[in-house]
Amino acid sequence: QKEVEQDPGPLSVPEGAIVSLNCTYSNSAFQYFMWYRQYSRKGPELLMYTYSSGNKEDGRFTAQVDKSSKYISLFIRDSQPSDSATYLCAMKGTSYGKLTFGQGTILTVHP
Amino acid sequence: DTAVSQTPKYLVTQMGNDKSIKCEQNLGHDTMYWYKQDSKKFLKIMFSYNNKELIINETVPNRFSPKSPDKAHLNLHINSLELGDSAVYFCASSPGTSGGAQETQYFGPGTRLLVL
Repeated sequence: QKEVEQDPGPLSVPEGAIVSLNCTYSNSAFQYFMWYRQYSRKGPELLMYTYSSGNKEDGRFTAQVDKSSKYISLFIRDSQPSDSATYLCAMKGTSYGKLTFGQGTILTVHP
Repeated sequence: DTAVSQTPKYLVTQMGNDKSIKCEQNLGHDTMYWYKQDSKKFLKIMFSYNNKELIINETVPNRFSPKSPDKAHLNLHINSLELGDSAVYFCASSPGTSGGAQETQYFGPGTRLLVL
């Protein structure tokens, strides 16, 4: 079993829809949780960063962490075609810089 | 100005060859990383250097050897290339490793390696 599980999709939604992306993990030592967005043929870029449990909102994006369930989510409101990308969850414990990534979910938002 | 740059962007080579990928960051960061992304998009860390010192060395074949001449550069040399080495290799950097905003990793555009 992988340390971080993420449904690879693909996920296709109409413009304006609310998108929910999720990851589960098995390592209870993880404390830092991130979501990266990766456009085709580009490097990942950080979208959201959360420490421990709770919610964090940034514009149309909301990240949620439930450490008791070992479950994290990213919600995208009013999705746009420009949101079409692969979304990777990533997390780490206390070890130096070692991020563990999920497989990534391919999202397509069609006009 | 490109924050994290990699050269080359594409690399096509024969099995058994030796090749190098270069990475440079102009962000003034202390920590640099090499990741491998396979065909299924799994991104896995290979190495990490903090101020030119190796701090993460995952289970990677000895054919892969990183070198950090200074904290702005982290190169990856691969000996005796194999078919399974075909992947996209990403370099990344972060301000540090101590937590919080220090954790944000900035990725380069990737080097697409194809071994024939």
